[in-house]
Amino acid sequence: GDSVTQMEGPVTLSEEAFLTINCTYTATGYPSLFWYVQYPGEGLQLLLKATKADDKGSNKGFEATYRKETTSFHLEKGSVQVSDSAVYFCALSGGSYIPTFGRGTSLIVHP
Amino acid sequence: DAGVTQSPTHLIKTRGQQVTLRCSPISGHKSVSWYQQVLGQGPQFIFQYYEKEERGRGNFPDRFSARQFPNYSSELNVNALLLGDSALYLCASSDLAGGLRADTQYFGPGTRLTVL
Repeated sequence: GDSVTQMEGPVTLSEEAFLTINCTYTATGYPSLFWYVQYPGEGLQLLLKATKADDKGSNKGFEATYRKETTSFHLEKGSVQVSDSAVYFCALSGGSYIPTFGRGTSLIVHP
Repeated sequence: DAGVTQSPTHLIKTRGQQVTLRCSPISGHKSVSWYQQVLGQGPQFIFQYYEKEERGRGNFPDRFSARQFPNYSSELNVNALLLGDSALYLCASSDLAGGLRADTQYFGPGTRLTVL
């Protein structure tokens, strides 16, 4: 079945550091890939998405590229801010269209 | 436009009781999905409804049931509550125009259920 594997957290960075959160997936067909963010005490918010191979999703300085050859969708940001502290979830929606989420990666950014 | 709304925000129940959670999708969205998010985990898919019909069901026991109304709002019911049912229950709506594949799900803030 479909699955998503994320790097374990927490990821702890200083402000303005470079961020990478790794995500790999297993799915049949050609899934859509997503990154969601969950701030403390809130529900999930869509951060970015990519619907086909080599697409790059981007939003609020975050980027992720759909790499079919490596089945990956790593999240990156060039310079993180304290306000980026949250839990980030990688997810896919494939042929079964039952969405599958990773376990989440907590990001903590210190001033 | 209003986003996905859920009620109640918080709920405390005891073991064996029954609970009903409610969700109103974004205007124009005809699909509603329910997820269970246990602390420290990603959301786990419970149900998806489209046009009042169940279109998908996750690996949850029959104690969990749901329905969708003509106005596309939805209820999730859980019977015979167990301590392990304590979680954040998320509702998400999506626009499935053009096919069954959901390209994006818009999540509500969730209902925090605590079972004592």
